[in-house]
Amino acid sequence: QSVLTQPPSVSGASGQRVTISCTGGSSNIGAGYDVHWYQQLPGTAPKLLIYGNTNRPSGVPDRFSGSKSGTSASLAITGLQAEDEADYYCQSYDSSLSGRVVFGGGTRLTVL
Amino acid sequence: EVQLLESGGGLVQPGGSLRLSCAASGFSFNSYAMSWVRQAPGKGLEWVSAISGSGTNTYYTDSVKGRFTISRDKSKNTLYLQMNSLRAEDTGFYFCAKDLYMGSGSNHDLIYDYWGQGTLVTVSS
Repeated sequence: QSVLTQPPSVSGASGQRVTISCTGGSSNIGAGYDVHWYQQLPGTAPKLLIYGNTNRPSGVPDRFSGSKSGTSASLAITGLQAEDEADYYCQSYDSSLSGRVVFGGGTRLTVL
Repeated sequence: EVQLLESGGGLVQPGGSLRLSCAASGFSFNSYAMSWVRQAPGKGLEWVSAISGSGTNTYYTDSVKGRFTISRDKSKNTLYLQMNSLRAEDTGFYFCAKDLYMGSGSNHDLIYDYWGQGTLVTVSS
């Protein structure tokens, strides 16, 4: 059971817009800790997609954007492409117990 | 070019030990915190451990405390994870990952901009 909750799957047609939510609580996102997003293509290592809630590393298309509000964050992908089909993970920090880095359970994006 | 290359994975019996290595190149290794993140087959990502650039500060997820030890050798630009008393639930791919920002001394704001390809650890009798 992940501290950060993501939908197991989302889907969208090519060219459409999808969003992936990441819901936390008062000891992580709600406490002000930043949220970061990773894309993991099948059989590969994760890749940093969004950091500090809204920032894109160089080389990441502006079709990807992040936002954060209250105890939740979201990843939006516009102009869906077949190559976007992957697993997406949010990450933050949780201060409960002894404190630790936490990941969401992951969301599988299917491009129809 | 930043490169992270893990090694040391394999099949081990429950209760056994393994030491994972992560050879780093292409950046000032001593200046960046490093972490281990694992992924059970078909499952999500789980943070395991982190170490500051200086090696002074180490952090662990509760399930591995007392069993795993993270360390780094600046002369070899290599990150390690010594894993003892291994359990079936430790099975998975282990990735090393580099922090985005130079000089981070805590695990409050780790951001992973580079990852290795992973090494598979299988704990089974």
